[in-house]
Amino acid sequence: NADVMQNPRHLVRRRGQEARLRCSPMKGHSHVYWYRQLPEEGLKFMVYLQKENIIDESGMPKERFSAEFPKEGPSILRIQQVVRGDSAAYFCASSPGVSSNTEAFFGQGTRLTVV
Amino acid sequence: ELKVEQNPLFLSMQEGKNYTIYCNYSTTSDRLYWYRQDPGKSLESLFVLLSNGAVKQEGRLMASLDTKARLSTLHITAAVHDLSATYFCAVLPSSAGGGADGLTFGKGTHLIIQP
Repeated sequence: NADVMQNPRHLVRRRGQEARLRCSPMKGHSHVYWYRQLPEEGLKFMVYLQKENIIDESGMPKERFSAEFPKEGPSILRIQQVVRGDSAAYFCASSPGVSSNTEAFFGQGTRLTVV
Repeated sequence: ELKVEQNPLFLSMQEGKNYTIYCNYSTTSDRLYWYRQDPGKSLESLFVLLSNGAVKQEGRLMASLDTKARLSTLHITAAVHDLSATYFCAVLPSSAGGGADGLTFGKGTHLIIQP
């Protein structure tokens, strides 16, 4: 869904550099989710955030990865000291809440290539 | 740990034929989603199935859910070339909060429909 805005769409980083991926949720949505997709695989849940809070980070690697969703501005997924294995498509989704009828909408993704 | 298995993983078929994609999951679930992904693109939500026996149809696609068997199917009727894409099912376990929190995806079914 184009209303969930991710940037950049493509990002190339050398090993050891930092990658910052941004996600602006749909208007009115206060819940953001990050997923990683490896080639030929489904999406793997990483982290779920609400404004200024990390709700569930059970899918985040313990080191080098962090996420935030500040009161103002987009959600940021930050990968420090990138390695080749971090190359993947990273998708953000947003939803307005957590009721039983809630549906999340996905952004276009950021394709990270580590060289 | 919730496991979601799709089959087949690859499917090549002729236009005009019918076929079914299967999605099995290993634990109780409140919701099951079907998504479509075109190469290099984001995920497009096709169906959200909320209860046992739910059946939804949109054009040539029909999805159903059997929560007792922990099985969902996506049926394609009289396939056309434009339906070529990768189809993912994703399951939200009953213990999750909602939205896209903790969605577990299958590996996807790569569907090629030949004219």
